Amino acid sequence: TQLLEQSPQFLSIQEGENLTVYCNSSSVFSSLQWYRQEPGEGPVLLVTVVTGGEVKKLKRLTFQFGDARKDSSLHITAAQPGDTGLYLCAGRGVGSTLDSRGSTLGRLYFGRGTQLTVWP
Amino acid sequence: GAVVSQHPSWVICKSGTSVKIECRSLDFQATTMFWYRQFPKQSLMLMATSNEGSKATYEQGVEKDKFLINHASLTLSTLTVTSAHPEDSSFYICSARDSQRFRQAGTEAFFGQGTRLTVV
Repeated sequence: TQLLEQSPQFLSIQEGENLTVYCNSSSVFSSLQWYRQEPGEGPVLLVTVVTGGEVKKLKRLTFQFGDARKDSSLHITAAQPGDTGLYLCAGRGVGSTLDSRGSTLGRLYFGRGTQLTVWP
Repeated sequence: GAVVSQHPSWVICKSGTSVKIECRSLDFQATTMFWYRQFPKQSLMLMATSNEGSKATYEQGVEKDKFLINHASLTLSTLTVTSAHPEDSSFYICSARDSQRFRQAGTEAFFGQGTRLTVV
């Protein structure tokens, strides 16, 4: 079963349009991260949201964490061809064990990803 | 941001041989590293969690004798695919947790650039 449901799976839009990607779960996460991945490369962290209801903006990207810390959204305004890529949300579970440095361990649960294509 | 280096970027090997993939944290110490597998246009599937100085924790369905993980230092973890077969062909990605920053921010994990393994 998929812990994090990400939608839509594919999105093909024209330059200048707005879009929203959703990430939903029935589980509570200690934090949620959004990544962007180019073909043949590893994911690059865009943002981390930690507090329920938190909103973060990164230029034309707006990230929101749900009040209950179970869902998140990514909104892109005036999309550009350079925004094309695979967008992944990942929720960090509430850790219950400690590593050797005393940090709590909570694994990342990835959504299925949204493949965004922005046409010029 | 923190840098995680993965080597090699791509490798082609013959069926039955073993391949070692390295994951290094370049400017921070990582007590925990994660190994993922990704199929084309799909999300990341966690294979195992690698803890420095102890045995790795494997996810259900991942053969620990086939995917050997060694995390001998705070900056290096290796994944060895033993007796590789064509079905092992995939994109393997590691991530490393900055223990110091993680304790402060509670959220960070940085990804390597991935290794494309092709078994022929």
